[in-house]
Amino acid sequence: DTAVSQTPKYLVTQMGNDKSIKCEQNLGHDTMYWYKQDSKKFLKIMFSYNNKELIINETVPNRFSPKSPDKAHLNLHINSLELGDSAVYFCASSQESSWGVGNRNTIYFGEGSWLTVV
Amino acid sequence: RKEVEQDPGPFNVPEGATVAFNCTYSNSASQSFFWYRQDCRKEPKLLMSVYSSGNEDGRFTAQLNRASQYISLLIRDSKLSDSATYLCVVNLYNQGGKLIFGQGTELSVKP
Repeated sequence: DTAVSQTPKYLVTQMGNDKSIKCEQNLGHDTMYWYKQDSKKFLKIMFSYNNKELIINETVPNRFSPKSPDKAHLNLHINSLELGDSAVYFCASSQESSWGVGNRNTIYFGEGSWLTVV
Repeated sequence: RKEVEQDPGPFNVPEGATVAFNCTYSNSASQSFFWYRQDCRKEPKLLMSVYSSGNEDGRFTAQLNRASQYISLLIRDSKLSDSATYLCVVNLYNQGGKLIFGQGTELSVKP
């Protein structure tokens, strides 16, 4: 029973297309995230939502638009795809939206969505 | 300078070896520290949190040196199954839930 599930797992699409990646978590967590892992393996946060509200929005092109219909779902829509968007996109969730000293908050990742733009 | 820096490796070690990974972070406001493990073509998973006094979980020992802004992970008696990329992760207290990931250190344990 997958805790954080995202679809599709693999996506190959042409430049200029619009695509969406869906994510759902069944952990009852309040916070969800989108991370991007590029070809150099750096994992960087793109967005985070807490109870459907956007709390972190990194410097991401506005072609990327997250949507959280409820706290168990966070989808990512990408318009006008570019070659540089090719990466692995990880959805994640955590019980809380912050970490403090001794805080046992843990972030759980989905299996990733491999996006290739050709 | 990167916010979190790790030696990317790869570290190639024989089974049974002891291996140590180091990580430095640039922001002194960093509050929480973690080691994550990522297998090839898989998602990152929490290996262990790192506490100020250092902590141990079986064959894994994590240490934190706030003065030097340095975190380490020691793996004793390496197993083939330890082969993975180990990610150093830091959270900035004043940036809430933003986790900063290092590039990762690749470990390959050989028979």
